[in-house]
Amino acid sequence: EDQVTQSPEALRLQEGESSSLNCSYTVSGLRGLFWYRQDPGKGPEFLFTLYSAGEEKEKERLKATLTKKESFLHITAPKPEDSATYLCAVQDRYGGATNKLIFGTGTLLAVQP
Amino acid sequence: NAGVTQTPKFRVLKTGQSMTLLCAQDMNHEYMYWYRQDPGMGLRLIHYSVGEGTTAKGEVPDGYNVSRLKKQNFLLGLESAAPSQTSVYFCASSYASGSSYNEQFFGPGTRLTVL
Repeated sequence: EDQVTQSPEALRLQEGESSSLNCSYTVSGLRGLFWYRQDPGKGPEFLFTLYSAGEEKEKERLKATLTKKESFLHITAPKPEDSATYLCAVQDRYGGATNKLIFGTGTLLAVQP
Repeated sequence: NAGVTQTPKFRVLKTGQSMTLLCAQDMNHEYMYWYRQDPGMGLRLIHYSVGEGTTAKGEVPDGYNVSRLKKQNFLLGLESAAPSQTSVYFCASSYASGSSYNEQFFGPGTRLTVL
């Protein structure tokens, strides 16, 4: 059964204090791993797609990396506006022509000034 | 482009009442999805559609029905609401499999409370 586990559940950082969020996954065959950002009261906002082990993608202070069993979202010198819930999701290559996603429960990041 | 829009934003129902949630997308996406989000449970797929006139069950379909009469719209219905259906509902859409882009784009959500 496909499964996604995110850790930690919550993370509190000081502004400028770099850290990483973890996403561990189990899937029959990985078609893609997705990172989303969700602000309170809003819908998830797409950040990155990673397709194969070793791949990395960057956007401003965020960098996502992928191995065969997990993905990391590295946050470098975070600012208060990076505070949000970060969601990880996977697509199973054997899930049919549906683009269905299996989501983790997210990491709630709070960056204090 | 408005992207994915949802109507209404908030709703309070009494047990046994019915309602329909409307999702619309203007990105010409083939696939559309309905999720519910509950604390500690993450996003769970209710129903989805891979094209106009088609629907399929997701992970938690009981108590819900859907219709996709037009490519740009996806409706989620609750025939007899129950308190367990209190949740935040999100609609999403994506290009078809085989496209270079297979990420889903989400709407702003509908917060539903069933008393």
